[in-house]
Amino acid sequence: SQQGEEDPQALSIQEGENATMNCSYKTSINNLQWYRQNSGRGLVHLILIRSNEREKHSGRLRVTLDTSKKSSSLLITASRAADTASYFCAPQNSNYQLIWGAGTKLIIKP
Amino acid sequence: KAGVTQTPRYLIKTRGQQVTLSCSPISGHRSVSWYQQTPGQGLQFLFEYFSETQRNKGNFPGRFSGRQFSNSRSEMNVSTLELGDSALYLCASSSAIGGTYEQYFGPGTRLTVT
Repeated sequence: SQQGEEDPQALSIQEGENATMNCSYKTSINNLQWYRQNSGRGLVHLILIRSNEREKHSGRLRVTLDTSKKSSSLLITASRAADTASYFCAPQNSNYQLIWGAGTKLIIKP
Repeated sequence: KAGVTQTPRYLIKTRGQQVTLSCSPISGHRSVSWYQQTPGQGLQFLFEYFSETQRNKGNFPGRFSGRQFSNSRSEMNVSTLELGDSALYLCASSSAIGGTYEQYFGPGTRLTVT
């Protein structure tokens, strides 16, 4: 399988805590993207990190990429109820195709 | 800028029928990708069109087909529907091919096959 695989499958934390999700993939990539999906706003792009980058920030989001380990992580700091959603990583393979995993379901408890 | 629109939003069909779904990308975007999403699953890639040409295709049977028009609007067709085709069908538009840049998703068409 060439899927991006997220870990854990589900994560439940208290509001205000940090949430970390991991992604592993099997092929060489051009970039890796993270998306969020919730019932209210559908599927939304969060951040794109290129294969020659190691870390990228966007607001409360921090993404790291380790191409030698074929893995990425998404850190959400100071979580809020509105962060409750499913998070997907999507590496772009050398065939210019995004490969999606099954996602991490994140629940933020008040 | 208007977002990606998909029509219809909901559809109920009977096994054996065929269905056509429509997607209008963001103005100026030439890439449209289609995905199937079933409960608890990630997105399964169907195909991508760029400037009216199919440039990539996923592992779906030939019952699934698509096309793109000169105004970048795209349609996908599923013939001889099966119960397993019940899913949320998402389209995404982008300014470049295959995930080179971010993809913008529509709200999806929820297809139920009975």
